Amino acid sequence: RKEVEQDPGPFNVPEGATVAFNCTYSNSASQSFFWYRQDCRKEPKLLMSVYSSGNEDGRFTAQLNRASQYISLLIRDSKLSDSATYLCVVILYYGGSQGNLIFGKGTKLSVKP
Amino acid sequence: NAGVTQTPKFRVLKTGQSMTLLCAQDMNHEYMYWYRQDPGMGLRLIHYSVGEGTTAKGEVPDGYNVSRLKKQNFLLGLESAAPSQTSVYFCASITPGQGVMNTEAFFGQGTRLTVV
Repeated sequence: RKEVEQDPGPFNVPEGATVAFNCTYSNSASQSFFWYRQDCRKEPKLLMSVYSSGNEDGRFTAQLNRASQYISLLIRDSKLSDSATYLCVVILYYGGSQGNLIFGKGTKLSVKP
Repeated sequence: NAGVTQTPKFRVLKTGQSMTLLCAQDMNHEYMYWYRQDPGMGLRLIHYSVGEGTTAKGEVPDGYNVSRLKKQNFLLGLESAAPSQTSVYFCASITPGQGVMNTEAFFGQGTRLTVV
């Protein structure tokens, strides 16, 4: 089982739609969680960190469920500019893999007019 | 500008040639990483370092070597390039352990390597 798994999509949605992505992680030593955005042929950039209590940044909401070992990202009122690949990221802090920054394969979102 | 700088940005190698990719960061980050990204495969960790003088293998280390002689630099070496190493390589750095709010991985702009 991969350490971090995401539905690769693509998710094709109309402008204004609400879309949700999930990500599961297998290592309980995972301690920090993030969503990154990657545009075609560019480097990944931080979209938002994921806090235990959940957090919101404008149209974006991230949730963490430690018991079930998954994180989620909700995008409301989708814009054309939201089209990108969204990467789920965890950092492992314990054991032989301490310090590993592990990425999911990403979920591709395409927002259509 | 502060951040992570990768050199070179593009390179074409012949099979069997060697080269070194340089990643330099000026943010005093402890941890540094090398990834490769291939279509449909996502970012795969090659090697990483949790501090000056230390390195560790990631998911796909074969065919690569690394060194972290100085805290700010992380070198990725290909001793004998193979066509299977054609990829986009990204370097990242981070200082974790300060709480989620203070943790962010910064990436270089990538190196596009083609081995023919």
